[in-house]
Amino acid sequence: DTEVTQTPKHLVMGMTNKKSLKCEQHMGHRAMYWYKQKAKKPPELMFVYSYEKLSINESVPSRFSPECPNSSLLNLHLHALQPEDSALYLCASSYASGSFYEQYFGPGTRLTVT
Amino acid sequence: QQQVKQSPQSLIVQKGGISIINCAYENTAFDYFPWYQQFPGKGPALLIAIRPDVSEKKEGRFTISFNKSAKQFSLHIMDSQPGDSATYFCAASTENSGYALNFGKGTSLLVTP
Repeated sequence: DTEVTQTPKHLVMGMTNKKSLKCEQHMGHRAMYWYKQKAKKPPELMFVYSYEKLSINESVPSRFSPECPNSSLLNLHLHALQPEDSALYLCASSYASGSFYEQYFGPGTRLTVT
Repeated sequence: QQQVKQSPQSLIVQKGGISIINCAYENTAFDYFPWYQQFPGKGPALLIAIRPDVSEKKEGRFTISFNKSAKQFSLHIMDSQPGDSATYFCAASTENSGYALNFGKGTSLLVTP
């Protein structure tokens, strides 16, 4: 089973709201990733967690706050977002943070900021 | 700066034909090259991947060709089917960046009946 699940599927939020995106995998993977994808563009890396520790932050604004409560779960907390943050937010996982470990993506959360 | 350049941006192929998508890179530290397929409204799905010690890898109708000296790699889809119509992304990664994926801009493939 190579399934990564993400909830919610769709989210509409105002610029003053606080919301969270959730990602879960039960493949025993120890690396988890957040990507942002705008329409007709490739995914862009936001954060990498390796063994539940944040290992890469691609200079993401502080209004995005990742959290990895355990090895199966990854959250992305959202606060005071801007309309340009509207995008598909993708979670991915891999066995470990290594090149020969394939990354498996979830279906994404479609976020609209109004 | 786009570290992986992908072409063409879009491609139309007749059913049964061969679809070819090309990618080029500059960073010689890249050591893992996957291809992803993405349907509208879905997350990318890993199709096939190659490492630079191999020049070709085939899985079913999908083949990656890799030219290390030219720093190029390509995806060939044999006997293309309408169900293959999707966006395809090449990517590359290296230990220097924690093996995070650097994606090409994507190719929108349409296979006509």
